[in-house]
Amino acid sequence: QKEVEQNSGPLSVPEGAIASLNCTYSDRGSQSFFWYRQYSGKSPELIMFIYSNGDKEDGRFTAQLNKASQYVSLLIRDSQPSDSATYLCAVMYFGDKIIFGKGTRLHILP
Amino acid sequence: DTEVTQTPKHLVMGMTNKKSLKCEQHMGHRAMYWYKQKAKKPPELMFVYSYEKLSINESVPSRFSPECPNSSLLNLHLHALQPEDSALYLCASSQDLTSGSMQYFGPGTRLTVT
Repeated sequence: QKEVEQNSGPLSVPEGAIASLNCTYSDRGSQSFFWYRQYSGKSPELIMFIYSNGDKEDGRFTAQLNKASQYVSLLIRDSQPSDSATYLCAVMYFGDKIIFGKGTRLHILP
Repeated sequence: DTEVTQTPKHLVMGMTNKKSLKCEQHMGHRAMYWYKQKAKKPPELMFVYSYEKLSINESVPSRFSPECPNSSLLNLHLHALQPEDSALYLCASSQDLTSGSMQYFGPGTRLTVT
């Protein structure tokens, strides 16, 4: 059974601080890793993807992948109130479907 | 352009009605997906089309019937739905089904079954 685990939160972070979101996955055959942001009542929006071990930075977002420990994380620097949303971790297996975690609710405190 | 469009935005239907949800993308993607999402839950995969052929059916009840008329369009035909089928229905597309192919979601159709 392929599983993707996330802490449901809510995770409360002061404005301007770093928000750290974590995700673990069960299957070592995982190939690709995605972070989606979803505002209440809206559809998921792809914000980061990572395939290789290490860090990948895009603006205020950094995705970190550690395949040996089977975790992927998302760091949001200089958190803004507009970052308040649910963040979905998604894991893709070769030639197969994406498995979504249940999401972490992030709340940025003004 | 990473836009996936869906119509209608909202749909209210009775249990005896027949309706269709539509999804369109013009990114040249060859994989398209239907997801169902209930409140405070992650998207739940229903169907996957690859090169206009049904690739994955996640044991979805037959009252949901997908159709892929061409590489840009994906429909979901609805018939004799139940109130518990009320949810946000999301369409997504990706380049193909290979590893690393990013999925882009449409805005969704909010379905209410009365």
